[in-house]
Formats: sequence, C-alpha cells, structure tokens
Amino acid sequence: EAQVTQNPRYLITVTGKKLTVTCSQNMNHEYMSWYRQDPGLGLRQIYYSMNVEVTDKGDVPEGYKVSRKEKRNFPLILESPSPNQTSLYFCASGLAGAIGDTQYFGPGTRLTVL
Amino acid sequence: GENVEQHPSTLSVQEGDSAVIKCTYSDSASNYFPWYKQELGKGPQLIIDIRSNVGEKKDQRIAVTLNKTAKHFSLHITETQPEDSAVYFCAASKGAAGNKLTFGGGTRVLVKP
Repeated sequence: EAQVTQNPRYLITVTGKKLTVTCSQNMNHEYMSWYRQDPGLGLRQIYYSMNVEVTDKGDVPEGYKVSRKEKRNFPLILESPSPNQTSLYFCASGLAGAIGDTQYFGPGTRLTVL
Repeated sequence: GENVEQHPSTLSVQEGDSAVIKCTYSDSASNYFPWYKQELGKGPQLIIDIRSNVGEKKDQRIAVTLNKTAKHFSLHITETQPEDSAVYFCAASKGAAGNKLTFGGGTRVLVKP
C-alpha cells in the first residue's frame, strides 16, 4: 500500500530535550516536505527536500532541522524544543516534476512541549 | 510571498443542502489550486484541484470554480452527506520550489443529519 508513515504519532516532551520525528514514504517520491498545523493558520511549510541531500527552508524553519540521506526518509529534528513548537506536524511526499503533482500526507504527529 | 485567505472558518449545513467555501489568493503568478479534506486524526487528502487555464471543474458532488481576475476560487459540495463532515483546506501554488503549497486557514464543515 502506497503511504507516508510518521512516528511517533503522539509525543509529550519537555523544553530543551532533543527529539526526532521520523517520516518514511514507499512511493519513490523525490519531493518530501514537513508542515506544521496550528488552529486558524492552516498548514505552514517548515522544510522541504527536492531529492537526496537537497533540502531547503520553508516559511517557518526556525528551531527545526532536517536531513535527507535516503530517498524514502525525511526526519524532522528539534534540537532544543520550546513550548511554541507545540503543534500538529505532517510529512508529505510527491513527485518533483510538473506543477500539480499530488502531495500525499502522513497521518500526523501531535507534539506537546511542556 | 503568497497569502491565501479562506472563509468561513466553520460551516454547519443540513444534510442534503449545499456547502460553499471561498478562498482568495494574493500572488497572480499562482496557477494551481488544490483542495484538501482532513478527517479527524488523519492527514489532509486531495479531493479536487484546478489549474489556472480552467474556470470550473466538477467531480460528482464536488466542484471548484476559479476567477483569475478576482483571484478567488471556491469549493462547492452539493447534496451534502454526514461523511462530508471534515476540515477542508484550500491551497495555492505557482510550481516553484517543488510545488510549494500555501494553505488557507481551513474550514470546519459539519453536516447535520
């Protein structure tokens, strides 16, 4: 089954404790992206990757890191989480070709930073 | 950068009635406008999209219209059913940076039986 998986689905942590949210896709997509969803703000892009070893900032990259060492994986790293990073996070993947290629979203990771 | 505004933020309709969600965008270079449906506990899922060279597109009970001059687009759901209850997001893209999507704030739709 074609899918994007994220782990963990729920995470409660404390300020300053490094964490990683994993994302994996099995569709051989070049493009992967991380979004955060906050009430009334829709989804805002954090980072994206056009292919292996190619990453770039989205609209809200501060406080986050990513890496793309393999095509299927795109982990999101919070080196020193803060309460304002409490949010619902989504990973997405798609083809990096012509405009309009569908992006497939993972099920989401709800993060709470105390 | 692109800014997408979406209205209303919540919408309650009676089963069988129609629902309309409206979005406006700011960047005239945007040329692709998808709509996503997000059910509780799940990620957004594409339900319909429209490109700037088309004014209207229909897929069964859902349709999208685009007015490039006014820079707004709308989602229409006819004969609503309880399973249409969800959060709907509009988005805009101009094909740069891996088809970067700028999302509206979302509309929570509740269909009352």
